[in-house]
Amino acid sequence: DAGVTQSPTHLIKTRGQQVTLRCSPKSGHDTVSWYQQALGQGPQFIFQYYEEEERQRGNFPDRFSGHQFPNYSSELNVNALLLGDSALYLCASSLVRQGYTDTQYFGPGTRLTVL
Amino acid sequence: AQSVTQLDSHVSVSEGTPVLLRCNYSSSYSPSLFWYVQHPNKGLQLLLKYTSAATLVKGINGFEAEFKKSETSFHLTKPSAHMSDAAEYFCVVIDTGFQKLVFGTGTRLLVSP
Repeated sequence: DAGVTQSPTHLIKTRGQQVTLRCSPKSGHDTVSWYQQALGQGPQFIFQYYEEEERQRGNFPDRFSGHQFPNYSSELNVNALLLGDSALYLCASSLVRQGYTDTQYFGPGTRLTVL
Repeated sequence: AQSVTQLDSHVSVSEGTPVLLRCNYSSSYSPSLFWYVQHPNKGLQLLLKYTSAATLVKGINGFEAEFKKSETSFHLTKPSAHMSDAAEYFCVVIDTGFQKLVFGTGTRLLVSP
């Protein structure tokens, strides 16, 4: 049973560029959440996708956008990159049961460096 | 809003001695609480979760945590540390209104031989 997978593993971009990160959820899961983990800090919630719609959003600017596909996989897009966007981006998948989100399982993350 | 406070940024123990990582929570109702572990350059792995069943929760790799409502605590313990336990540990509460995880600032566990 494949767990949560993310690609790419590492990415280097320059300020002002745009980036797309990808996530495939654990088999059987229908919900994908994205988190940003800056160096030395705990992960911060970016947004969550369920049934191809953004279900909830954290305190992140509109430069951060996402998408969920019919096969439940997801993309995170960041436009106009800033140095402060350098972080580990984590994807978590889960299953909605009776209206609430069950345990979230994390992928290995994508390390984004903005120069 | 729900939140968690991890009381120690670093904890150092010797191999074979007990581990105690402290976490206090703030919630207006009975929360769902988790402990996740993160090894260097790795993603997050679920250690255990509390969802209002038994107050003593057993997790993987010999870890357990006790939910104490009177103390608003959810401390993580292990009777005997192993070198492979060295990692960053996060106490987490789920914001059930918004389905998102709220992380503490993390505790780095150092294990010396």
